[in-house]
Amino acid sequence: EIVLTQSPATLSLSPGERATLSCRASQSVSSYLAWYQQKPGQAPRLLIYGASNRATGIPARFSGSGSGTDFTLTISSLESEDSAVYYCQQRSNWPTFGQGTKVEIK
Amino acid sequence: EVQLLESGGGLVQPGGSLRLSCAASGFTFSNYAMSWVRQAPGKGLEWVSSMTVSGGTTYYADSVKGRFTISRDNSKNTLSLQMNSLRAEDTALYYCAKDLGVGGRYTGWFDPWGQGTLVTVSS
Repeated sequence: EIVLTQSPATLSLSPGERATLSCRASQSVSSYLAWYQQKPGQAPRLLIYGASNRATGIPARFSGSGSGTDFTLTISSLESEDSAVYYCQQRSNWPTFGQGTKVEIK
Repeated sequence: EVQLLESGGGLVQPGGSLRLSCAASGFTFSNYAMSWVRQAPGKGLEWVSSMTVSGGTTYYADSVKGRFTISRDNSKNTLSLQMNSLRAEDTALYYCAKDLGVGGRYTGWFDPWGQGTLVTVSS
């Protein structure tokens, strides 16, 4: 099983700041990595797939990068509505998820 | 607008069975692979099972293999999950999710998700 480790566990930033979330895979997943956003009481929403492709309707402030074992989700300028838990997911073999990073807006 | 509506959750005793359903609308159901993903209360996400467009290929997480069965009825736009031999650790909110891939290609990316149905396994 491919294990995804996300860091940090919690990120507390002010509106307008840049958020950088990390996801590390226990073995190479090539570019088979996605990012999801989950707000309290809501279902997850796909943000990024294939490491760097934005899903339909996702604002340009969200971007993904990386390949192999190290990946990054960047939110270029935080807005209050970005407060959520963010999960990475790989599909190199059967899908697995990271444990999540909680983003708090000060 | 794509809509996925899960149903069938509830309280069941350990060792019992439950059948979940997902009613799909707003897209051509028969053109997309479908999946189930679950989330234990206060915990992260765990993929459970996926099925290709024709139902010819199914995938299961090791934690549910041999106990859960995924199926689909393309004539009724419905995805199902038959859950047998339920355990306390199966307690979770179960989400139905459409695959991102077009033309029936299985991508393993989940978009969008339903709102989920809660399964509680307890005596």
